[in-house]
Amino acid sequence: EVQLLESGGGLVQPGGSLRLSCAASGFRFSDYAMRWVRQAPGKGLEYVSGISSSGDTIYTDSVKGRFTISRDTSKNMLYLQMNTLRAEDTAVYYCAKVLSPSSSGIDYWGQGTLVTVSS
Amino acid sequence: QSVLTQPPSVSAAPGQKVIISCSGSSSNIGNNYVSWYQQLPGTAPKLLMYENDKRPSGIPDRFSGSKSGTSATLGITGLQTGDEADYYCGTWDSSLSPGYVFGTGTKVTVL
Repeated sequence: EVQLLESGGGLVQPGGSLRLSCAASGFRFSDYAMRWVRQAPGKGLEYVSGISSSGDTIYTDSVKGRFTISRDTSKNMLYLQMNTLRAEDTAVYYCAKVLSPSSSGIDYWGQGTLVTVSS
Repeated sequence: QSVLTQPPSVSAAPGQKVIISCSGSSSNIGNNYVSWYQQLPGTAPKLLMYENDKRPSGIPDRFSGSKSGTSATLGITGLQTGDEADYYCGTWDSSLSPGYVFGTGTKVTVL
């Protein structure tokens, strides 16, 4: 059974940093691309960042230069280092597994971790 | 700001049918597979449809998907109260800032 378990969310002041973690299990982690998707309170889904099985990364424009996605295949872990946080980064952050190399859909989601940026 | 447009809401009585549209462009829907996600209140999204019209195991055939040109649709027949949720389309966007994009979301209400 595929499981994705996020951790690391919480309350942080504007300008602060936070590191999200996602523990993956139930599949061959090294073979799949992974993503972070967020959802602001009462809003829709927003792609944040993705990392391929080989380590290539992509970021949405609003987080470029501030967020860094990474993975540790030896530990089956996905990370999102978030720096210079802004109020508009407040959201539930989901860890997500990409369906396959040839299909961009997301077949599994974590339960989400809430990040609140506020003074 | 999402590049995929969906109607904010659709509604129908139990047993009826609803169709949700997702409009994009050649940089996204026009040249990539579309997926659909169901998000029940207070829960994480769930994959409902992938590669335009394929259902993951466990998804009933009351749900169907299609794609034509730069638009996609999700159909739900035999509507049930348990189908009340937010529905999002998603696909890859190959524009100058590539990445995965989601639709604006549609709230399905069972009257």
